Amino acid sequence: AQSVTQPDIHITVSEGASLELRCNYSYGATPYLFWYVQSPGQGLQLLLKYFSGDTLVQGIKGFEAEFKRSQSSFNLRKPSVHWSDAAEYFCAVGAPGTASKLTFGTGTRLQVTL
Amino acid sequence: EAQVTQNPRYLITVTGKKLTVTCSQNMNHEYMSWYRQDPGLGLRQIYYSMNVEVTDKGDVPEGYKVSRKEKRNFPLILESPSPNQTSLYFCASRTGRSYEQYFGPGTRLTVT
Repeated sequence: AQSVTQPDIHITVSEGASLELRCNYSYGATPYLFWYVQSPGQGLQLLLKYFSGDTLVQGIKGFEAEFKRSQSSFNLRKPSVHWSDAAEYFCAVGAPGTASKLTFGTGTRLQVTL
Repeated sequence: EAQVTQNPRYLITVTGKKLTVTCSQNMNHEYMSWYRQDPGLGLRQIYYSMNVEVTDKGDVPEGYKVSRKEKRNFPLILESPSPNQTSLYFCASRTGRSYEQYFGPGTRLTVT
């Protein structure tokens, strides 16, 4: 069974600083990987996804993530954070060939200071 | 506009009083799922459906029922709610070819 670990519960960065949110997964093969963002009181919005191919994927809102098979990681990055990026971020893994099952991490709450 | 809708958005009820949370999508998606979100636990899948009349348990199905009589609708039923089902619930859908899930806005349920 797949699993996801987001080791940072809460991160605070200054506006304009760079950001990296960590995500490690456990799965026997190459999984499908996702990052979602949840703003306060809102549903989940897909930031980016990795299925195969280029290991550096670009998403919306200036985010990118890099799949590193050797480290079983899929870290999310942004070069310059904006105050509006304050939200909770979830990494998720899906097993190819299975029906509709996404396993989510416990989330990282991002606070942005001005 | 392509979307997943849930109703109600907020619900306060008492232990044992049956309730239904509706979910509807207008994207003709085959797959639909229900998740609950609890602090420190992330999102956990309750039930999912691969198509009309085809449903299966997720990770935390106890105390919940679902049905899929129409492709667009996937209601979540709590026949005898208990306080440990107080949570934020999300419905999601996707096509058969893509793992990209579209989420509804959430339903915050409080059981007293």
